[in-house]
Parts: sequence; C-alpha cells; structure tokens
Amino acid sequence: AQTVTQSQPEMSVQEAETVTLSCTYDTSESNYYLFWYKQPPSRQMILVIRQEAYKQQNATENRFSVNFQKAAKSFSLKISDSQLGDTAMYFCAFMNLLRGSQGNLIFGKGTKLSVKP
Amino acid sequence: DSGVTQTPKHLITATGQRVTLRCSPRSGDLSVYWYQQSLDQGLQFLIQYYNGEERAKGNILERFSAQQFPDLHSELNLSSLELGDSALYFCASSVGVSGGAGETQYFGPGTRLLVL
Repeated sequence: AQTVTQSQPEMSVQEAETVTLSCTYDTSESNYYLFWYKQPPSRQMILVIRQEAYKQQNATENRFSVNFQKAAKSFSLKISDSQLGDTAMYFCAFMNLLRGSQGNLIFGKGTKLSVKP
Repeated sequence: DSGVTQTPKHLITATGQRVTLRCSPRSGDLSVYWYQQSLDQGLQFLIQYYNGEERAKGNILERFSAQQFPDLHSELNLSSLELGDSALYFCASSVGVSGGAGETQYFGPGTRLLVL
C-alpha cells in the first residue's frame, strides 16, 4: 500500500523568506501523480501544485515550486517570498494511476506552517 | 471558491442518530469523492462515485453509505453515529473523463459533524 510521510509537523518562516516543506512517499508503481494542498484556518482544501511522475521537469506555480526526486521518492514544496496568507496546514498527497485505483488521494499527516511578520 | 458546494456546513447530533451530508460537484464534473478528516486518522478517502456508479471504496465503515444521483449530486449517509465519527467531511469532484485517474480534485468547504 502507498504511504505518504511528512516529517515536519510544524514549521515557521519570516515573511518574505523562503521555506521548504518535505514529503516522502512509498510506492512500487511508476505511474502516479503528486499534489500539495493547502488548508488555511477556514478549513477549505486548496490545490497548490501538482506533479506528474512521468515529467522530469519540476512543477512551478508563481511563488510555489516543487523538487521532485523520483528515485528518492521525495516531493518537497518550496514557498518563496512567504506571505502572511500562506499560513496554513499543507498536505502532500499521492494519486495512484494503477487501473482500479480510480484516482483517490492518499494524504500525509500535514505540516503546519506559520508565517511570522 | 472551488465550485463544489456542501450542505450543511455544521451538524450537531447525538450518538445513535443518522445524518445525511449533501454535495454538489462542479458543473460538468462526473466524479465525486468523499473524504473524512479527523484528528486521529487525518484525511482518509471514503468512497468515489463516477456518473452515478460506485467506483472505488476506501476506509468506509459499514454504517456509512453514499450514492450519486442522476443530476450528479451526491449524498453521504452516516448512521448509528458514534462519538468517534465527529470529523470534517469533505466532498471533492473531478472531471471524470478517465474515471478520475490522474485528474485534479477540487474540494468543497466541508461539513463539520459533531456527535455528542
């Protein structure tokens, strides 16, 4: 069974600084997708970024980028120029594309990020 | 706003009772997923429906059931409620062209259930 591990329960960063959140996963499959979701205090789950395992190029969305290391099964999220609105719980998620899985997400436990003024 | 709506936002009930949570997917989305977020279990996948049919099951209890209607809205029924069922229940939807595989899921705001 696939597992997702986020080893940093809590992190903090100063406004305008850069922070990296770690995620590792375990799978024997070669075809899958990876996601980062953000959950602010409102509890809404918001997609931050996604990465297809077959793509070597790391995904980027504005201030958010990932470092995808397929061999190491690592998928970290880098937030540049941190803003107060980035304060949230961040979840790493894995989606197996094996036929029959049908795309359900497997989540890590989350990293609580606090951006300090 | 993701375009996914869930009602009610909050629900308080007693042990042994039954409740129904409702979800309307984004316009055009065929796949609906239900997830449970609790303090001890984290975010867990419960069940998926695709165009009215059950497609995948996760860690869903036998006391729980779901269905997707012809207009594509979905309902999650929780019965014989226990204290441990208190959680935030999310519905997510995706386009569903490929049955959901590989598609980004957009989450609703969730229903917070408190069982007393």
